[in-house]
Amino acid sequence: EADIYQTPRYLVIGTGKKITLECSQTMGHDKMYWYQQDPGMELHLIHYSYGVNSTEKGDLSSESTVSRIRTEHFPLTLESARPSHTSQYLCASSAQGSGLSGNTIYFGEGSWLTVV
Amino acid sequence: AQKITQTQPGMFVQEKEAVTLDCTYDTSDPSYGLFWYKQPSSGEMIFLIYQGSYDQQNATEGRYSLNFQKARKSANLVISASQLGDSAMYFCAMREGGTGGFKTIFGAGTRLFVKA
Repeated sequence: EADIYQTPRYLVIGTGKKITLECSQTMGHDKMYWYQQDPGMELHLIHYSYGVNSTEKGDLSSESTVSRIRTEHFPLTLESARPSHTSQYLCASSAQGSGLSGNTIYFGEGSWLTVV
Repeated sequence: AQKITQTQPGMFVQEKEAVTLDCTYDTSDPSYGLFWYKQPSSGEMIFLIYQGSYDQQNATEGRYSLNFQKARKSANLVISASQLGDSAMYFCAMREGGTGGFKTIFGAGTRLFVKA
């Protein structure tokens, strides 16, 4: 069972505010990811990280930024939130290695962000 | 470029019956992994089953089995003896490149409704 935690689970904020979505995993996984998902829609990769001090942009352009100072922590920040940022943000991680253990990504419970 | 296609936006099944959710994929990499995830209305992503491109046998996990047809590039999920709790969104996903691979992409999803 995966141990990956996201906070806050639900957040409603005003336009222009800065927010940080926290993500922590206790499995020692090198790889971590952020996906954005509108309700009932597909997941889009917005950021990923190979390890400490490594961050890359994903397929979907995002105004958010991420950092990876510690293996277990991969926060996502929006400097100035807008209504178009309203969505669910899913953090995930995976281990190094082959087969099931290396390929499977495990998800947190998600952070639902509403910008008004 | 890798691609995942799920052509069934919604499916209905009677409780206790079996249902097949379709997934086709496109990749030029000989090494890849295929996954199915379940997403209940609460939003979390639950890993169900994994199939590696070199696996000789179809993967099975309890009531879930993956019908892997490599030549046709299809990886359909079969749920036997459907239960009311199976009502959820189901996502097919793929990762290329084996241990070197990194990015997992998701299909648009299929919403399954189980009727009592």
